[in-house]
Amino acid sequence: NAGVTQTPKFQVLKTGQSMTLQCAQDMNHNSMYWYRQDPGMGLRLIYYSASEGTTDKGEVPNGYNVSRLNKREFSLRLESAAPSQTSVYFCASSPRAPEQYFGPGTRLTVT
Amino acid sequence: DQQVKQNSPSLSVQEGRISILNCDYTNSMFDYFLWYKKYPAEGPTFLISISSIKDKNEDGRFTVFLNKSAKHLSLHIVPSQPGDSAVYFCAATLQGGSEKLVFGKGTKLTVNP
Repeated sequence: NAGVTQTPKFQVLKTGQSMTLQCAQDMNHNSMYWYRQDPGMGLRLIYYSASEGTTDKGEVPNGYNVSRLNKREFSLRLESAAPSQTSVYFCASSPRAPEQYFGPGTRLTVT
Repeated sequence: DQQVKQNSPSLSVQEGRISILNCDYTNSMFDYFLWYKKYPAEGPTFLISISSIKDKNEDGRFTVFLNKSAKHLSLHIVPSQPGDSAVYFCAATLQGGSEKLVFGKGTKLTVNP
């Protein structure tokens, strides 16, 4: 039981490049989330998915898109990366509100 | 506008003593509060929670107190251990089982041997 896994662990992008952050959970949870954490800040919700086939915006959705591929997988896409998107990205899943279980994070740097 | 505030960026205590981490909130519609612990290079892990219908919840060395009238909660760790050194985040959620957690900025706790 791996819990919540995220790939990649680290990534460096140039401004304007695109990439997709992958997240998978093996706990059969319905809900999944993407957060970002900036230095000196708490976690801020980007998007979440309450169930397969549904997604909703969180606090800071601009510049991101998500796909809930199936119950296990929830991906986050940056279409045109900007330096302001340099952050640590966490994926989480939940069996029921408000419990959430987090992955180890992806550290993204945009130059 | 920050709805969940952790005004102390850091706290240092001696091993064996009590650690008290504080959290204030502004939104009276929050009805469930959680504490998460985060080690460097890892994701946050759930520690303890409390519903707004309670004023105290205890789990081993960890106790969370809620003062609704003051919109204040605190996490007590007794006795503190070096392994408790981490960043602690307070989080809150709205009434009705909302999916959305609102996090504070975190307090870095250092427990000195």
